[in-house]
Amino acid sequence: ELKVEQNPLFLSMQEGKNYTIYCNYSTTSDRLYWYRQDPGKSLESLFVLLSNGAVKQEGRLMASLDTKARLSTLHITAAVHDLSATYFCAVITSGTYKYIFGTGTRLKVLA
Amino acid sequence: NAGVTQTPKFQVLKTGQSMTLQCAQDMNHEYMSWYRQDPGMGLRLIHYSVGAGITDQGEVPNGYNVSRSTTEDFPLRLLSAAPSQTSVYFCASSYSREGLNNSPLHFGNGTRLTVT
Repeated sequence: ELKVEQNPLFLSMQEGKNYTIYCNYSTTSDRLYWYRQDPGKSLESLFVLLSNGAVKQEGRLMASLDTKARLSTLHITAAVHDLSATYFCAVITSGTYKYIFGTGTRLKVLA
Repeated sequence: NAGVTQTPKFQVLKTGQSMTLQCAQDMNHEYMSWYRQDPGMGLRLIHYSVGAGITDQGEVPNGYNVSRSTTEDFPLRLLSAAPSQTSVYFCASSYSREGLNNSPLHFGNGTRLTVT
């Protein structure tokens, strides 16, 4: 059974600092996704990572995938307050359409 | 283009009552799914469908039924509501056919359900 773990669960950081959120998964997977959720809102897609070594960047966020280690990272560069949100990774079990989500990382960026 | 539309936004039920959460999408997505979101537990997959007439169970299917009679609609039915079903429910859809099956999920705005 596919399990997805994120850490840390909570992250409070100062503006301008860098940090990384980690997403580990337990079995072989074809694809990994990152989503953002603002408080009381729905989820929006950030990145889709399809292959080993994939790296995608959007603004201050960069996501990478290591399928051999079953690990994805979401790196935040020079954080700003607008990045405060909960970030989820999600993985699809190979050969199925079952998206399994991590527990989420609640990020708070302090001015 | 409305995307994924969920109704109602809020609902309060008494234990034992039944209800249907509605989900509709206008993007011609083959894949549709239901999740529940509880504090500290992320999103958990309830049921999903890869096309009209096809449904399958997710991680937490007990107490919920689904059907997919059209591409656009994927209702979630609670047959006999229990307090443990108090949660926020999200419907999501995406492409699943060859060549487009790497697309991300598009989420509805959620239904906040309270069972007393």
